[in-house]
Amino acid sequence: QQPVQSPQAVILREGEDAVINCSSSKALYSVHWYRQKHGEAPVFLMILLKGGEQKGHEKISASFNEKKQQSSLYLTASQLSYSGTYFCGTERSSNTGKLIFGQGTTLQVKP
Amino acid sequence: NAGVTQTPKFQVLKTGQSMTLQCAQDMNHNSMYWYRQDPGMGLRLIYYSASEGTTDKGEVPNGYNVSRLNKREFSLRLESAAPSQTSVYFCASSEPANTEAFFGQGTRLTVV
Repeated sequence: QQPVQSPQAVILREGEDAVINCSSSKALYSVHWYRQKHGEAPVFLMILLKGGEQKGHEKISASFNEKKQQSSLYLTASQLSYSGTYFCGTERSSNTGKLIFGQGTTLQVKP
Repeated sequence: NAGVTQTPKFQVLKTGQSMTLQCAQDMNHNSMYWYRQDPGMGLRLIYYSASEGTTDKGEVPNGYNVSRLNKREFSLRLESAAPSQTSVYFCASSEPANTEAFFGQGTRLTVV
């Protein structure tokens, strides 16, 4: 079942912060975050694993609440380059790589 | 280092025609995936392959077949294209499976 992302879209000014949420009704092993710019391929941002381990980039943070099956992506001091569509992908079993993606959150950062 | 390469980049098919989308990766990854992306739907997994010689269905496998020819190549075949298969198709690979996936640039397919 597809995870639900919120909000669907957000507009920011440079320097502002944003939080993107991803919620699943199923028990999860991991949550993956990707960013996609218009006309391009998705690019990896972060993985959060059951048990608290995180793998990702330095300038982006995220959390994973295993009890609630929810993840949040935190974008602080946003830059113009942060614009794009953010997708969470959820994995129910370990080591399968089978991701079910949310519908996406479109982020637009304005000068 | 090319990463994941998909061919073709664009294709227009008539209803009922068949075609094969090609994908190759040069990162020695075991896991490979085919996704389709429709507006407002995010990415949906069609098929995946955990290793050479193995394939498994994803969320939306109907109307598609796949072949994992060797460790590098994973092809997606549409036997009889339908307008509902109009989409952007992405191939991806990862190693191990539950780590960063690398995506190809996509194939934009239109079925008329």
